[in-house]
Amino acid sequence: GENVEQHPSTLSVQEGDSAVIKCTYSDSASNYFPWYKQELGKRPQLIIDIRSNVGEKKDQRIAVTLNKTAKHFSLHITETQPEDSAVYFCAASKAPGGGNKLTFGTGTQLKVEL
Amino acid sequence: DVKVTQSSRYLVKRTGEKVFLECVQDMDHENMFWYRQDPGLGLRLIYFSYDVKMKEKGDIPEGYSVSREKKERFSLILESASTNQTSMYLCASSRRETQYFGPGTRLLVL
Repeated sequence: GENVEQHPSTLSVQEGDSAVIKCTYSDSASNYFPWYKQELGKRPQLIIDIRSNVGEKKDQRIAVTLNKTAKHFSLHITETQPEDSAVYFCAASKAPGGGNKLTFGTGTQLKVEL
Repeated sequence: DVKVTQSSRYLVKRTGEKVFLECVQDMDHENMFWYRQDPGLGLRLIYFSYDVKMKEKGDIPEGYSVSREKKERFSLILESASTNQTSMYLCASSRRETQYFGPGTRLLVL
């Protein structure tokens, strides 16, 4: 089955700096890669996703890049703010089909310091 | 807005008890999922269902079972709770790829 590895497990940045979280996946048939953000005590929520036919996607201060050959994808957050502090999870899926099952990475605790 | 609710936020049970965790979604989603979340291990899929009365094992199904008698409701059952099942349990639902999560149930097994 699919295996998703995520690094780093913790990341501390100064407010205004950029943050990068990296994931690798094992199944070359995976074609959908979402990122979820989980604030303390709250439920995970989708913040951005990318499909295998696209190399990069941006939404304001966040962007995701995908390298299908290397089976890597990354989340980039620019101009970090204290409200970006949360746990971020990457995931991979072979969608559609199979119930759209996601395999998640182990998470990155991002702390944005003032 | 999609709404996914879980029956309890916190639950304390004794070893050997049968435990039911309930999840309800109001968006007519076909797919429903149960995960457990443990520090350093991320979200691990226990079971999922892509239709009423249909279920599929996830990555860690041992010690758990599920029931989906109605489209909006997906139940996770711990037949005989054990201390290693102390965890945060998250339910999710989806129509397509995007999963919407419930608030979670923090289960403590003593």
